[in-house]
Amino acid sequence: AQRVTQPEKLLSVFKGAPVELKCNYSYSGSPELFWYVQYSRQRLQLLLRHISRESIKGFTADLNKGETSFHLKKPFAQEEDSAMYYCALSSKAAGNKLTFGGGTRVLVKP
Amino acid sequence: EPEVTQTPSHQVTQMGQEVILRCVPISNHLYFYWYRQILGQKVEFLVSFYNNEISEKSEIFDDQFSVERPDGSNFTLKIRSTKLEDSAMYFCASVNLRETNTGELFFGEGSRLTVL
Repeated sequence: AQRVTQPEKLLSVFKGAPVELKCNYSYSGSPELFWYVQYSRQRLQLLLRHISRESIKGFTADLNKGETSFHLKKPFAQEEDSAMYYCALSSKAAGNKLTFGGGTRVLVKP
Repeated sequence: EPEVTQTPSHQVTQMGQEVILRCVPISNHLYFYWYRQILGQKVEFLVSFYNNEISEKSEIFDDQFSVERPDGSNFTLKIRSTKLEDSAMYFCASVNLRETNTGELFFGEGSRLTVL
């Protein structure tokens, strides 16, 4: 069974401070990991995926298979980063459906 | 940029009534999904649909739920007899796996269902 855990429901940081959102997963096969973001009054949208190894809006995430983690990091948070962030897992074996974590609300204070 | 659209944005209904939530996926997408999010809880998978049939469904997707692609563009979720616990935000998503090996899903803005 697929499971994604985001231990923090809320992260509050000051502008310019680093932010790290934790994500741990359990899956016996080869998962694909994603971070989705939902800004206020907007739809869920993909932020980044582990296979592309890219930085989007200053965010990076590294898949650590040993620790089964996919933490999201940004060295200098901006006010526009305030949003709901969801870690998600998918696999071709599971029909590419996404299994979401519970989400972490990030609040960046000025 | 093409988007997944959903209607209605909010529906209030009485317990026991039938509800149909509508989605228009992105036109060249082949796989369609419904997810729901009860207030304060995580986004949960309901059902996936491909080639005019259900490819997978979760335990939540019981006999009260059904999906249909009636005309080649709309993708609907029907709840036959709504219960209070069906109150949630329902998200439609689509993806074209011919172009996207990684299966990035494109989501609609959601339909909020309130059952009284």
